[in-house]
Amino acid sequence: AQSVTQLGSHVSVSEGALVLLRCNYSSSVPPYLFWYVQYPNQGLQLLLKYTSAATLVKGINGFEAEFKKSETSFHLTKPSAHMSDAAEYFCAVSDQVKLSFGAGTTVTVRA
Amino acid sequence: GAVVSQHPSRVICKSGTSVKIECRSLDFQATTMFWYRQFPKQSLMLMATSNEGSKATYEQGVEKDKFLINHASLTLSTLTVTSAHPEDSSFYICSAPPAGGADTQYFGPGTRLTVL
Repeated sequence: AQSVTQLGSHVSVSEGALVLLRCNYSSSVPPYLFWYVQYPNQGLQLLLKYTSAATLVKGINGFEAEFKKSETSFHLTKPSAHMSDAAEYFCAVSDQVKLSFGAGTTVTVRA
Repeated sequence: GAVVSQHPSRVICKSGTSVKIECRSLDFQATTMFWYRQFPKQSLMLMATSNEGSKATYEQGVEKDKFLINHASLTLSTLTVTSAHPEDSSFYICSAPPAGGADTQYFGPGTRLTVL
């Protein structure tokens, strides 16, 4: 069994400020972990993924995430928010067959 | 990166009619595709796993006779919502992992279904 918990359904940041989105996972097998971004009325775009290689993963658009096994966490960060980062973000865990998604975090960016 | 398309992007139908949604992998073959449903302001919920050349596998609580899935080729899976009702109105999204690359799924742009 696998599941993901995203802490905080809504995050509001100022433009230029740090973005931090929290994700904790549960998995009975070594997990593959993902962050996806979704813009309104669109599908999901992969930001980054962890598949048992380096624990610090760099993705697109300046995002990165760190896999911490001891904390069962995979938090997403970006040092400086842009207006274009306003979107819905989903953390997901895979058992190499199926994906299970978190509830999502809506990010708004204030000018 | 790999591209997955869906057609139509948006459909409005009357209650009681059936609607077919297509999911295509444009530049890779996919023996498996996944169908998700997403209600407004909610996460994606896996409905079923579509397997090329065999029957789909449905998640618990998903009516297989209502949501018919056909995976007739390595690049096409279809989802047919039969006898649609207003409660079936949702955003339907498909995904596919490239063959041999099961660690990543590529998502289609989604289909917005509205049942009047």
